[in-house]
Amino acid sequence: DQQVKQNSPSLSVQEGRISILNCDYTNSMFDYFLWYKKYPAEGPTFLISISSIKDKNEDGRFTVFLNKSAKHLSLHIVPSQPGDSAVYFCAASDRYGGSQGNLIFGKGTKLSVKP
Amino acid sequence: AAGVIQSPRHLIKEKRETATLKCYPIPRHDTVYWYQQGPGQDPQFLISFYEKMQSDKGSIPDRFSAQQFSDYHSELNMSSLELGDSALYFCASSSPSVGTGELFFGEGSRLTVL
Repeated sequence: DQQVKQNSPSLSVQEGRISILNCDYTNSMFDYFLWYKKYPAEGPTFLISISSIKDKNEDGRFTVFLNKSAKHLSLHIVPSQPGDSAVYFCAASDRYGGSQGNLIFGKGTKLSVKP
Repeated sequence: AAGVIQSPRHLIKEKRETATLKCYPIPRHDTVYWYQQGPGQDPQFLISFYEKMQSDKGSIPDRFSAQQFSDYHSELNMSSLELGDSALYFCASSSPSVGTGELFFGEGSRLTVL
């Protein structure tokens, strides 16, 4: 059973517009959420994270929103740039529980930003 | 800045053979994680080590074993390889005392089982 779900396998956005990537989770014990970006032939690279005590975290063009009651988070990229084209993975952990920090990943969403 | 180093980057083996993957974490990182990503799949957590002790176990088959050594590098040993073991194997490292504890991934080792 997939605990972290990214229901959109792909997303295409025009350069300069907003990209919104969505992620849902089922485990209410998750208390730490991260977004990773992955280019072909490279490992995932950390993008932004949010703790369950917050509902928003912003870093430059990237903002992550967390809705705990809906068990939903989203990543907003504004403005989108062609270099943002990559696969974006949502990940979660029960960081202060027993998982010792290991991450549960979603299947990823492939973002294509067109010039 | 130094990143997580994995070797080999590519490995081709036949069924029933054995393979060993190595991972060198970022300096001063004391926790190592192994993930397996099959074609078109999300990365699946296999196992992790903290201070040379196994800290958590995920979906690692019994045919696989891993350890972390005194210099914090880790090795994933895979025996009796099956076709389904063909995947990209990522190692990641972290340190609770550094930053927010996010995982830093290596570039992966691609294992192909023929």
